[in-house]
Formats: sequence, structure tokens, C-alpha cells
Amino acid sequence: AQSVTQLGSHVSVSEGALVLLRCNYSSSVPPYLFWYVQYPNQGLQLLLKYTSAATLVKGINGFEAEFKKSETSFHLTKPSAHMSDAAEYFCAVGSGSSNTGKLIFGQGTTLQVKP
Amino acid sequence: EAGVAQSPRYKIIEKRQSVAFWCNPISGHATLYWYQQILGQGPKLLIQFQNNGVVDDSQLPKDRFSAERLKGVDSTLKIQPAKLEDSAVYLCASSLNRGPTYNEQFFGPGTRLTVL
Repeated sequence: AQSVTQLGSHVSVSEGALVLLRCNYSSSVPPYLFWYVQYPNQGLQLLLKYTSAATLVKGINGFEAEFKKSETSFHLTKPSAHMSDAAEYFCAVGSGSSNTGKLIFGQGTTLQVKP
Repeated sequence: EAGVAQSPRYKIIEKRQSVAFWCNPISGHATLYWYQQILGQGPKLLIQFQNNGVVDDSQLPKDRFSAERLKGVDSTLKIQPAKLEDSAVYLCASSLNRGPTYNEQFFGPGTRLTVL
């Protein structure tokens, strides 16, 4: 079975500092991996996805993530945090065949950005 | 392009009452998903439709939850009777899901259910 673990339910950074949100996955087959962001009272929005092409994936709003098979990790980073980045972030792994599209989500990490 | 629409946005009911949520996916999206998101947790898939057929309902509590997608477009999720632990945000998502790679799931704003 596939699963995702997000390390740290709450991360706080200062504006302009590096953002690092950690995600480790478990999968018996090559995984599809995703990061979603959720702003208060809104649905989830896709930040980026890994689908076995380049291991370094660039997403929207300056975020990127690196797939490391040896570490079973897919950590999300952003060089310089902005106040507008404050939100809930979810890592997800694709389950089943590619055409089913089923996603298994982690518990989420709340990012707080301090001025 | 219009996004995924959901209604109502908020609902408060007493336990043992019934409630229904409605979802209108993005036009042309064959796959529709209902997720339950309990406060402090990630979304959990309840049911997945491909057109009007069920692909996966393994985590749907079928004794109280039901869902349908008539004509392969709109979908309704119903809870009857509701329990306190059903308090959550119910998210609807849709995707094209054509071809060999994962297609992006587009999420609606969700319906926040409070069961008293």
C-alpha cells in the first residue's frame, strides 16, 4: 500500500527565509507525487507534480521539489518566503494505475510566515 | 473556464438528520472524486466516478453514505443519518484522466458540515 508522511504539522519561518516542507512516501511501484496548497476556506490547488520525468520539479509561486528515490522523499522548498505563502500544504502520492488518478494525502503542514 | 462548483458552502444539522451535497465538475472532466477532510487531517477519498460508473468506493461508509453521478456530469453525496464524527469539509474534485500519466485534479471550495 502507498502512504505519505509529512514531517512537522506546523512550520514557522520569517518573511524572506527559506521554506522547507518535508514529505516522505512509501510505494511499491514508481510513484506519482504531488504538492497541493490550501488557503483558508478554499479548495486545494496543485503546486507541482512529479511523474518520473525530471527529478527537480518546478511549480507555481516559486516553489520546487526534488524527488529522491534513495531517501523516498519529495520535499518542497522555496528560497524566500512571502506573507502570501501562509497556508496549509499537502503532499500526496498517486495510488493505483495512472489512469485511476486516486490520490493519498499526507496529514498536511501549516506554514506560518512571520513579518 | 469555470471551476468545480459545490453547494452549499456551509451546513449545520443535528445528528441523525440527513444532508446532501452537490457538485458540478469542470465541463468535459470524466472523473469525479468526493473527499472527506476532517479538521487537522488530509483529504481522504470517499468515492471516485469515471463518467457515471463507480471506480472506487472502498472507503465510503455505505451504511450511511451514498453518492450518485447521473448522466456522468453532476454528482450528489448524501449522508443519512448523520453522526457527530461526520463533521468535516467535503471536497469534490474532477479530472480528465485520459492518457498514460496522472492528470491534475481540480478541487471545488468544499462544503463544511457541522453535526451537532
